[in-house]
Amino acid sequence: QKEVEQNSGPLSVPEGAIASLNCTYSDRGSQSFFWYRQYSGKSPELIMSIYSNGDKEDGRFTAQLNKASQYVSLLIRDSQPSDSATYLCAPKGGSQGNLIFGKGTKLSVKP
Amino acid sequence: DTGVSQDPRHKITKRGQNVTFRCDPISEHNRLYWYRQTLGQGPEFLTYFQNEAQLEKSRLLSDRFSAERPKGSFSTLEIQRTEQGDSAMYLCASSAGGARNEKLFFGSGTQLSVL
Repeated sequence: QKEVEQNSGPLSVPEGAIASLNCTYSDRGSQSFFWYRQYSGKSPELIMSIYSNGDKEDGRFTAQLNKASQYVSLLIRDSQPSDSATYLCAPKGGSQGNLIFGKGTKLSVKP
Repeated sequence: DTGVSQDPRHKITKRGQNVTFRCDPISEHNRLYWYRQTLGQGPEFLTYFQNEAQLEKSRLLSDRFSAERPKGSFSTLEIQRTEQGDSAMYLCASSAGGARNEKLFFGSGTQLSVL
């Protein structure tokens, strides 16, 4: 059984701070990694994807991947109240595999 | 691009009844996924199609669940003999597929309540 572990939170950070979200996964065959954001009552939307070890930056978001440790993280710099949402980690195994989502980490950014 | 459309938005049914949901993916997307989500949990994978072929089905999925995508366009998900534990948000998503092209676009979901 493929598993994805995330701290459920809530993770509370003050506005302007860095929010750090972590994820571990069990499937060593996972090749692609995705972070989705889900606002309350809404559907998930993709915010970051990462395929290679190291860091990938996109605006205020940085995804970090360490395949040897089976670990992926998401950093949100200069956190804003509008970043308050649940962040879902989703590894994908191979070109024919499906996405397996973690339970998500609920982030709350306080003004 | 009109996005992924799901119908109905809400469904209330009595235990033991059958229900069917419909999903219309983004027109050029060849992959279609069904997920189920309950409060406080991430989306749980149910099944996915590439064109009309059902490529994978969750081993956790009861035989009461069946999905079709007869012409590789829209898909239906049927739940027979519904149980209270089936109450959840059923999410459909589509993607263009292919290596490094797995961005899923989700529909708004169908909220099922089994009384």
